[in-house]
Amino acid sequence: DARVTQTPRDKVTEMGQEVTMRCQPILGHNTVFWYRQTMMQGLELLAYFRNRAPLDDSGMPKDRFSAEMPDATLATLKIQPSEPRDSAVYFCASGFRYAQYFGPGTRLTVT
Amino acid sequence: TQLLEQSPQFLSIQEGENLTVYCNSSSVFSSLQWYRQEPGEGPVLLVTVVTGGEVKKLKRLTFQFGDARKDSSLHITAAQPGDTGLYLCAGESGAGGTSYGKLTFGQGTILTVHP
Repeated sequence: DARVTQTPRDKVTEMGQEVTMRCQPILGHNTVFWYRQTMMQGLELLAYFRNRAPLDDSGMPKDRFSAEMPDATLATLKIQPSEPRDSAVYFCASGFRYAQYFGPGTRLTVT
Repeated sequence: TQLLEQSPQFLSIQEGENLTVYCNSSSVFSSLQWYRQEPGEGPVLLVTVVTGGEVKKLKRLTFQFGDARKDSSLHITAAQPGDTGLYLCAGESGAGGTSYGKLTFGQGTILTVHP
């Protein structure tokens, strides 16, 4: 059955390194979201795209985060340079209005 | 910024008990979604309610959207250990245009059902 896939599932990196997370949305879904989940802040929306166009990235620290959707099968979230406070689980979701389907997440640890 | 307050934050009950989780806001939402998340996985959509006063049932789960579309509740009857997980409510604020589909999530309720 169709699922959102994310890679890598786990990433441990040192402060200052670049991190790229990838997401393959479900084919046919027109909206793709990036979220970050931490114990303290819960689930926060970072950015989202509709029909591959960025609609809102107000949840992202602009100086270090960037999100792109180079084609309909790939969305990327990049952090450069990474900081320890970026440690979290990052989720990609795709869907339509009234329904979002989440991937399994990328657990990022920045030391 | 629209906020969704979920209560309780933690719920630990015995198998067979009933429970209700609440999701409240001072803002009006065009729709309200409930998700369940298990450790190491992403949230899974349970239901979407759209109309004020709407009630939806999913087996032993009953979801209600408040008349004013500012609050929602999830009631579980005869809870089972398999219901254990993190329950999240999420509100969509946009009535249309580019903001539709954009969700604000509550902090979640961690439910533990003991056998």
